[in-house]
Amino acid sequence: AQSVAQPEDQVNVAEGNPLTVKCTYSVSGNPYLFWYVQYPNRGLQFLLKYITGDNLVKGSYGFEAEFNKSQTSFHLKKPSALVSDSALYFCAVKLVGVSGYALNFGKGTSLLVTP
Amino acid sequence: NAGVTQTPKFQVLKTGQSMTLQCAQDMNHNSMYWYRQDPGMGLRLIYYSASEGTTDKGEVPNGYNVSRLNKREFSLRLESAAPSQTSVYFCASRGVSGVGNEQFFGPGTRLTVL
Repeated sequence: AQSVAQPEDQVNVAEGNPLTVKCTYSVSGNPYLFWYVQYPNRGLQFLLKYITGDNLVKGSYGFEAEFNKSQTSFHLKKPSALVSDSALYFCAVKLVGVSGYALNFGKGTSLLVTP
Repeated sequence: NAGVTQTPKFQVLKTGQSMTLQCAQDMNHNSMYWYRQDPGMGLRLIYYSASEGTTDKGEVPNGYNVSRLNKREFSLRLESAAPSQTSVYFCASRGVSGVGNEQFFGPGTRLTVL
């Protein structure tokens, strides 16, 4: 089954420092991977995706993610964290063999950026 | 262009009551989805509709029914609400072309079942 795992419930970073939110995947075939962000009391917003091509994917708000096939990882990164980046982050993978391109989400990682 | 809209925003039900959560999108998207979000469990897919006229079960369909009323609207019905259905419900939609097209989410409905 297609699945993703987010091993950290919470990540704490000081403003200005680089941040990494981890995601590992388990899929058969080529993975289609996504990152979403959820701010308090809001719906999810798309950040970036990996379909094929370059392993480094750039997305919204200065975020990027590195696809690593050998480590089956798709970690979200940002060179310099902002307090406003504090939110809940979800990694997701497209379900194979399921019509409509439904996604399977990880449990989420809460990012707290302190001033 | 409102994107994905959901009504109501909040709802409190008693055990056994029924209700319908409404979702509409104005982006001419083919596919629509219903998720529930519970603390520590992320989002779980309840039902989805790959295209108008079709619906399929997701990971946690028990206790729910859906209707794809037309291309714009996808409703979720709880026939006999249970406390285990207390959750935040999100509707999402996805465009027609491209295998990697992302889903767009509504603001959510916070449901409490007493």
